[in-house]
Amino acid sequence: EPEVTQTPSHQVTQMGQEVILRCAPISNHLYFYWYRQILGQKVEFLVSFYNNEISEKSEIFDDQFSVERPDGSNFTLKIRSTKLEDSAMYFCASSGGTAGGYTFGSGTRLTVV
Amino acid sequence: TQLLEQSPQFLSIQEGENLTVYCNSSSVFSSLQWYRQEPGEGPVLLVTVVTGGEVKKLKRLTFQFGDARKDSSLHITAAQPGDTGLYLCAGVPWGNTPLVFGKGTRLSVIA
Repeated sequence: EPEVTQTPSHQVTQMGQEVILRCAPISNHLYFYWYRQILGQKVEFLVSFYNNEISEKSEIFDDQFSVERPDGSNFTLKIRSTKLEDSAMYFCASSGGTAGGYTFGSGTRLTVV
Repeated sequence: TQLLEQSPQFLSIQEGENLTVYCNSSSVFSSLQWYRQEPGEGPVLLVTVVTGGEVKKLKRLTFQFGDARKDSSLHITAAQPGDTGLYLCAGVPWGNTPLVFGKGTRLSVIA
């Protein structure tokens, strides 16, 4: 069964450093998403990507965040200057349509120290 | 912001018991999805319900979408320890904006 693959699975970084999280979505999916989940809290939407551009973003997705598709297939989420409160699980997801189910990756656990 | 409230937040039951988890909102959704999440993993889709009043069954799990498309329920019959996990409801708001999640119900089934 097709999977969404995320790397790395864990990342520890110092406050103020840049991090890049990577995602390989399902190849024939058209819609791509980044979500995060702070420990013990709900899964929160960050940004969606369709047709090679951002289609929607939440209030969390401020100027410190950016998303790219560097090679036309994989996705990256970059946090330019990490803060302690950026510590969370970051999930990439893809879907074939806007109303269908999402396929999530296993996540990247980001710890900012 | 469209909110989804799940109840109960925690549920601990004995193997063989039945249970129902609820997902409620004051907003209307074009579809509702249920996911299960294991510790350290991403949510895994269980079902999508699209039509108001729709009922879907997945083995011992029964999912229902409310007539007004504002609420949903998950009923598990004869729960087993393997059902233990975090159950998340998530809705697609009208306009097909991205999925909004509830906080989840953490289920523990004791053998």
